[in-house]
Amino acid sequence: AQTVTQSQPEMSVQEAETVTLSCTYDTSENNYYLFWYKQPPSRQMILVIRQEAYKQQNATENRFSVNFQKAAKSFSLKISDSQLGDTAMYFCAFMKRSMDSNYQLIWGAGTKLIIKP
Amino acid sequence: DADVTQTPRNRITKTGKRIMLECSQTKGHDRMYWYRQDPGLGLRLIYYSFDVKDINKGEISDGYSVSRQAQAKFSLSLESAIPNQTALYFCATSDLFPHDEQFFGPGTRLTVL
Repeated sequence: AQTVTQSQPEMSVQEAETVTLSCTYDTSENNYYLFWYKQPPSRQMILVIRQEAYKQQNATENRFSVNFQKAAKSFSLKISDSQLGDTAMYFCAFMKRSMDSNYQLIWGAGTKLIIKP
Repeated sequence: DADVTQTPRNRITKTGKRIMLECSQTKGHDRMYWYRQDPGLGLRLIYYSFDVKDINKGEISDGYSVSRQAQAKFSLSLESAIPNQTALYFCATSDLFPHDEQFFGPGTRLTVL
């Protein structure tokens, strides 16, 4: 069963606008980790931002911030002052404890973000 | 120089052929992973290794095998390639903790005809 859901297959905004990418996940655990990764056309996967579930404060990295709503199991990514270089696929990922007690990243299907000049 | 390298970057092969994809890293990480990326499905974990003596199956290990030759090297093999294994394959590494960032190689695009 899909554990991480990204409901927006594709989005496009004008340069300098703010855009929010949505992500929801399913878990019964209380402590876990959430990530946003970016995949530009070069196909290199790059970490954008991460959030630890026990931290109530939303993570921020420069123009990137998250809105983490633990009760709603929602983890959206906000990109402010969007730039052409932000054009990429964005993947939400959830660190899940597997059956053998190891941790595995479970990935959403991705959102293609296009920044228009 | 790249911290995580993959060879080859692109490969076209025929059904039934044996294929090996190689991954090397200079980050000094013990943990290494192989993922497969298909359009509309995100990344799915094939195998992972937490040290040289530790190999674990991921979500979609059927039809694949791996070898951890050294801390820095982790290879993925397709013993008898089939067309539905056409995909983009990524190797990744990470440090010890669940919240640690995974560092990815540039990917191998594999086409099985």
